[in-house]
Amino acid sequence: EVQLVESGGGLVQPGASLKLSCVASGFTFSDYWMSWVRQTPGKTMEWIGDIKYDGSYTNYAPSLKNRFTISRDNAKSTLYLQMSNVRSEDTATYYCTREIGDYWGQGVMVTVSS
Amino acid sequence: DVVLTQTPPTLSATIGQSVSISCRSSQSLLDSDGDTYLNWLLQRPGQSPQLLIYSVSNLESGVPNRFSGSGSETDFTLKISGVEAEDLGVYYCMQATHAPYTFGAGTKLELK
Repeated sequence: EVQLVESGGGLVQPGASLKLSCVASGFTFSDYWMSWVRQTPGKTMEWIGDIKYDGSYTNYAPSLKNRFTISRDNAKSTLYLQMSNVRSEDTATYYCTREIGDYWGQGVMVTVSS
Repeated sequence: DVVLTQTPPTLSATIGQSVSISCRSSQSLLDSDGDTYLNWLLQRPGQSPQLLIYSVSNLESGVPNRFSGSGSETDFTLKISGVEAEDLGVYYCMQATHAPYTFGAGTKLELK
């Protein structure tokens, strides 16, 4: 059974950094592109970016590429999202997905507030 | 960025009724490889989204065949032939032809 389990969310102050993790199981992680998607409190869905199966290429939403970095550790079957200089508008539930959404994690909430 | 416009925003249905949701794209979603990367997702209350249909009309494994997708280029439709209680939630179309990938605003399916 494919499972994606995100962690690392919580309450963070504006301007701070945060790193989210997503541990994958039930499939060969190193064979798949992986993505991050977020959903705002108003339920708007936004694609953040994705990473090639070997980690050699990343693709980002232009509005986020200067502050967000996606990486992976195939030995640990883990996907990461490094968020820097966070803003109130980054408040959302963050999902990792396999490929372009055939499987989704349960999501992790990030709240940016002072 | 590609804008996906979903209609209607809310859909009220009775059990057994057939319904359709439209998703219109601001540009063609036909990729240079010949595929059209338009997917449909369902997010049930309190749950993560799940993939229903990929590449316009392909049913994801395990999804009931009362769901079907159609369309091409810029106009796409999701049809549910006989709504069941478990189908309630918010439906999103999503395109993965043009980066950045984008989503529609969603269509909430509720019981009449």
